[in-house]
Amino acid sequence: DIQMTQSPSSLSASVGDRVTITCRTSQSITSYLNWYQQRPGKAPKLLIYAASSLQSGVPARFSGSISGTDVTLTISGLQPEDFATYFCQQSYSTPFTFGPGTKVDIK
Amino acid sequence: QVQLQESGPGLVKPSQTLSLTCTVSGGSISSDTYYWSWIRQYPGKGLEWIGCISYSGTTYYIPSLKGRVTMSLDTSKNQFSLRLSSVTAADTAVYYCARSFNDLFDRWGQGTLVTVSS
Repeated sequence: DIQMTQSPSSLSASVGDRVTITCRTSQSITSYLNWYQQRPGKAPKLLIYAASSLQSGVPARFSGSISGTDVTLTISGLQPEDFATYFCQQSYSTPFTFGPGTKVDIK
Repeated sequence: QVQLQESGPGLVKPSQTLSLTCTVSGGSISSDTYYWSWIRQYPGKGLEWIGCISYSGTTYYIPSLKGRVTMSLDTSKNQFSLRLSSVTAADTAVYYCARSFNDLFDRWGQGTLVTVSS
């Protein structure tokens, strides 16, 4: 199975901040990496697929990039509704696996 | 807009079988574009993909659950189901059904908490 790690595991930020979350995989998965946002008590929601493609309806302040085995989610200009937990997921090979999550809370 | 909704018992006794159903509205589960998945989230918040079923009934289950898990479709009701046998406390989780497209999960149900306890 492909192992996923995320850093940091949590972070505190203020509205308007730029936030970066990194997902690292145990092997190269090229761009088969997706990002989800989960607000408390809600199901995860797809934000970005194929490392850098924005899902329909997701604000443009969310972006993704890839460099080797590191994939990055950036939120440019954090909004109050962005305080949530973010998960990465690899779709390179079965079994599909998720990262442990990064919780973004209010400073 | 496709919507998914899980249903089933919230409490299951150890060694019994967990049974959940996902009802899909706003779209057909018979579409050959999608797979239909089950994902669970443990109390510590980790997510685990359990497996999926295609419109034709082809299934994939994660190796750690093989032998205990069965997924099925009921196209007449536009539903798909999960059965997990011989449950233990380690199976306590929020269970989500989700639509899979290109091996990502673009629509999710709201989730249902299943607790395994006597």
